[in-house]
Amino acid sequence: NAGVTQTPKFRILKIGQSMTLQCTQDMNHNYMYWYRQDPGMGLKLIYYSVGAGITDKGEVPNGYNVSRSTTEDFPLRLELAAPSQTSVYFCASRPGGGNQPQHFGDGTRLSIL
Amino acid sequence: AQSVTQLDSHVSVSEGTPVLLRCNYSSSYSPSLFWYVQHPNKGLQLLLKYTSAATLVKGINGFEAEFKKSETSFHLTKPSAHMSDAAEYFCVVSALNTGFQKLVFGTGTRLLVSP
Repeated sequence: NAGVTQTPKFRILKIGQSMTLQCTQDMNHNYMYWYRQDPGMGLKLIYYSVGAGITDKGEVPNGYNVSRSTTEDFPLRLELAAPSQTSVYFCASRPGGGNQPQHFGDGTRLSIL
Repeated sequence: AQSVTQLDSHVSVSEGTPVLLRCNYSSSYSPSLFWYVQHPNKGLQLLLKYTSAATLVKGINGFEAEFKKSETSFHLTKPSAHMSDAAEYFCVVSALNTGFQKLVFGTGTRLLVSP
């Protein structure tokens, strides 16, 4: 049981480049989330999804886009990378029903130079 | 609205001594609270959760936390620290609204364990 898998683990981008951070989960969870973690801070919510075909913005969505075509996958897209997007990105998922905890992937460390 | 304050950014202990990581919360509703641990270059792993059942919650690896409503606290403790406990710990308050779970994270406490 792999849980939540994120790829790549590390990436360096140049300003203005685009890329997609991949996230997949094998637990059949309805809810999925993308966070960013900046040094010395807690996690901030970028986007979330309550099921296939349904997504919505979190606290810090500017500069990002998401899609949810299947239950398993929830990719995060950066269209025009900026230095302010240098961060560690975490994907999480949880089952529906009640206030169950979220399960996190190991993160993608992204540097934009 | 919900908020979380972790009172210490760093805590240093010796191996074999007790651990106390402090967390205070604010919530408009009856909260659910979690403690997560993050080891270097890893994701967040759930240590324990409080969801309005028993106020003393036992988690993995010998950790436990006590929910004190009168003090709005949810401190994490462990009787005897192990070297492998060195990590970042996050206290998290959760609000559930029409199925959407909003997590509010504290800024983290780094636990250092010396031999």
